[in-house]
Amino acid sequence: AQSVAQPEDQVNVAEGNPLTVKCTYSVSGNPYLFWYVQYPNRGLQFLLKYITGDNLVKGSYGFEAEFNKSQTSFHLKKPSALVSDSALYFCAVRDGGSQGNLIFGKGTKLSVKP
Amino acid sequence: TAGITQAPTSQILAAGRSMTLRCTQDMRHNAMYWYRQDLGLGLRLIHYSNTAGTTGKGEVPDGYSVSRANTDDFPLTLASAVPSQTSVYFCASSALGLTFTDTQYFGPGTRLTVL
Repeated sequence: AQSVAQPEDQVNVAEGNPLTVKCTYSVSGNPYLFWYVQYPNRGLQFLLKYITGDNLVKGSYGFEAEFNKSQTSFHLKKPSALVSDSALYFCAVRDGGSQGNLIFGKGTKLSVKP
Repeated sequence: TAGITQAPTSQILAAGRSMTLRCTQDMRHNAMYWYRQDLGLGLRLIHYSNTAGTTGKGEVPDGYSVSRANTDDFPLTLASAVPSQTSVYFCASSALGLTFTDTQYFGPGTRLTVL
């Protein structure tokens, strides 16, 4: 069975500092991995995805994520956080070896302070 | 383009009453999905449709039904609402379908409270 974990309920960073939001996954086949962001009272917005190819994926708003197969991780990163990055971030995974649903993590609340 | 629209934005519903949440997309996507979002649980798939005329059950389908009469619309019906169905409901769509690697795009959500 496929699963995804976001071990931190909340991440706090100061504006201008680098940020990391963690995600680990478990699938039996090749993983298809996604990051979404949700601003207050809004729907989810797509940030980036890893399907195959380069382990470092670049996405919207300066975010990037690194696929690490040995650690089964897909952490979201940004070199310099902005206050406007404060939101709820969701990691999601689909098992490429099955017709499974897209499974979402529970979400990590990112708070960037000025 | 509007993308995905959902109606209503929010609703308070008495237990036992029925309700249909509406979802319309203008991207001509083949697949559409309904999720519910609950605090601490993330998003869970209720029902999906890979193409017009077909539907499938997701992770938490009980108490919900869907139909897909055409490409653009994917209504979600609660036949007899219960308080545990209090949640935020998101509709999403993707170009290809559940078995592919395409990206899902989400609507703004409907906040439903069942009393």
